[in-house]
Amino acid sequence: NAGVTQTPKFQVLKTGQSMTLQCAQDMNHNSMYWYRQDPGMGLRLIYYSASEGTTDKGEVPNGYNVSRLNKREFSLRLESAAPSQTSVYFCASSERGGWTGNQPQHFGDGTRLSIL
Amino acid sequence: SQQGEEDPQALSIQEGENATMNCSYKTSINNLQWYRQNSGRGLVHLILIRSNEREKHSGRLRVTLDTSKKSSSLLITASRAADTASYFCATALSSGTYKYIFGTGTRLKVLA
Repeated sequence: NAGVTQTPKFQVLKTGQSMTLQCAQDMNHNSMYWYRQDPGMGLRLIYYSASEGTTDKGEVPNGYNVSRLNKREFSLRLESAAPSQTSVYFCASSERGGWTGNQPQHFGDGTRLSIL
Repeated sequence: SQQGEEDPQALSIQEGENATMNCSYKTSINNLQWYRQNSGRGLVHLILIRSNEREKHSGRLRVTLDTSKKSSSLLITASRAADTASYFCATALSSGTYKYIFGTGTRLKVLA
């Protein structure tokens, strides 16, 4: 039982390059999330998917796009990478969404992305 | 600014001592969760307390919630070196969204 798996673990890009961060969960969770973590900023929500077929913006969506490919997979794409997007990116999932939010989130171990 | 702000930012204690960290938030919440993050790893859920609860226990963890002061505290009793990590509070807004707002974290170091 792997939980939430993120690939790649590390990546270095040049400004202007594009890439897709992959995330897959094997817990049959409905909701999935992408966060970025920067020093002194805590985690900030980029996008989330309440259920298969739906996505919505979080706090810091600019410069990113997402795809909820199926129930298991939720990818994050940087179309034209900028140095300000250097960060650690975390994917998370929870059993079911809903405004009560009474479900713990399960996190992957992150993708460390550097943009030169 | 962050919905949740942890205090202190960093804490260093001896093994066996208790560690207390606090979280303040700005708006009404439905629930509040605490997470632990070991260096280089993802966050791990520790405990959830609902807005109608005042205190909750899980093993060596004790969480309190004071909605009138918009604050929560996490107490780790009899700390161990393995408790060395960063601790974050997260709030789910009661405005009907799926969004969690995380605080900036408390870095706890337990010295053996």
